[in-house]
Amino acid sequence: AQKITQTQPGMFVQEKEAVTLDCTYDTSDPSYGLFWYKQPSSGEMIFLIYQGSYDQQNATEGRYSLNFQKARKSANLVISASQLGDSAMYFCAMREAYSGAGSYQLTFGKGTKLSVIP
Amino acid sequence: NAGVTQTPKFRVLKTGQSMTLLCAQDMNHEYMYWYRQDPGMGLRLIHYSVGEGTTAKGEVPDGYNVSRLKKQNFLLGLESAAPSQTSVYFCASSTIPGLASFSSYNEQFFGPGTRLTVL
Repeated sequence: AQKITQTQPGMFVQEKEAVTLDCTYDTSDPSYGLFWYKQPSSGEMIFLIYQGSYDQQNATEGRYSLNFQKARKSANLVISASQLGDSAMYFCAMREAYSGAGSYQLTFGKGTKLSVIP
Repeated sequence: NAGVTQTPKFRVLKTGQSMTLLCAQDMNHEYMYWYRQDPGMGLRLIHYSVGEGTTAKGEVPDGYNVSRLKKQNFLLGLESAAPSQTSVYFCASSTIPGLASFSSYNEQFFGPGTRLTVL
């Protein structure tokens, strides 16, 4: 079973509108963290936002917020007031405390390509 | 600070050739990682290192070797390149995530990537 599932291969959003990118995860580890990264067409991976499994409140970073529903195992990224520069691939990733013999590796989803329309 | 750098940025190899990708970080991070990214896929872990002199296999280690002789450098080697190794390779580094640290970021910082084509 996939550990991180992003069901939207591509999304379109009108400039200045809000958009939600879906992410569901699968883990039996009680300690884990969820990350969102942005990959623009230039190729670099840019860290956006983080949510820890023990965090009671949803994470927010500027225009980015994470809608964390622990019981549903979902960690959706919400981008408010979309800008043309938000057009990119977005990856959800999970880090588990007890996986990979202490590697603390990130397990990535396949990504969602977001296109912002003027 | 330069962060995480990768050399080279692009490379074209013929099947059977060898090469080494260099990753360097100036953040004094203990953990370093090599990932590969293929079309339609997220990043997959090849090898990782939890400190100088240590390496371990990740999800897709076959055909690759690594070394971490210095804390700031993590080398990825392809001894006999195959077309299936055509990919974009990313190096990343992070501080040591503690078991109780999930209230903190400790995110992985990524290099700019190396685009490798094997003909």
